[in-house]
Amino acid sequence: GAVVSQHPSWVICKSGTSVKIECRSLDFQATTMFWYRQFPKQSLMLMATSNEGSKATYEQGVEKDKFLINHASLTLSTLTVTSAHPEDSSFYICVKPNLLSEAFFGQGTRLTVV
Amino acid sequence: LAKTTQPISMDSYEGQEVNITCSHNNIATNDYITWYQQFPSQGPRFIIQGYKTKVTNEVASLFIPADRKSSTLSLPRVSLSDTAVYYCLVGIPYNQGGKLIFGQGTELSVKP
Repeated sequence: GAVVSQHPSWVICKSGTSVKIECRSLDFQATTMFWYRQFPKQSLMLMATSNEGSKATYEQGVEKDKFLINHASLTLSTLTVTSAHPEDSSFYICVKPNLLSEAFFGQGTRLTVV
Repeated sequence: LAKTTQPISMDSYEGQEVNITCSHNNIATNDYITWYQQFPSQGPRFIIQGYKTKVTNEVASLFIPADRKSSTLSLPRVSLSDTAVYYCLVGIPYNQGGKLIFGQGTELSVKP
């Protein structure tokens, strides 16, 4: 079974609304989760690192007020895209690194803002 | 973080061996080399990781020369289902404080 479960797999929302994406660690606890964004035909870009019990760490150029990350428990990390606009349409992926240095990726969420 | 350079795209035919080379001239002493595979609209999947010489698993081999300034992912006898984007990452493993920074990737197209 999947180690990281990401939902929803796709979502369409109206411009100005907010969308929440959830990532659950199924097999073991996740004190850290990476969040990536991928535009069509481009590589994955690291947005932020969520840490259970503390504030997320955002990469340079990523608006923390727009992309709200919450790591409420050892098994759940969420990314909320607030006041979404068409330019936020992208593929969002959560990643749980493990102690063996390889990483487990969520299935990804295709967000389309209309 | 070491910058990686890969071919943007490659074409192959079913049954052939495919070798994708990644350049990482400024790789650091503690850096590992990791390859991921990504299908459209899916998250990447770990393929193989190595530090030096040769590593082999059930799906691929990774060749790393002594100077570690490049690495080659070898996929034996590819099939149509191997059509995907392949990413070469260089950096410190997460359990040593590293992050996963993706380069441009190589889009492999396997034809019948």
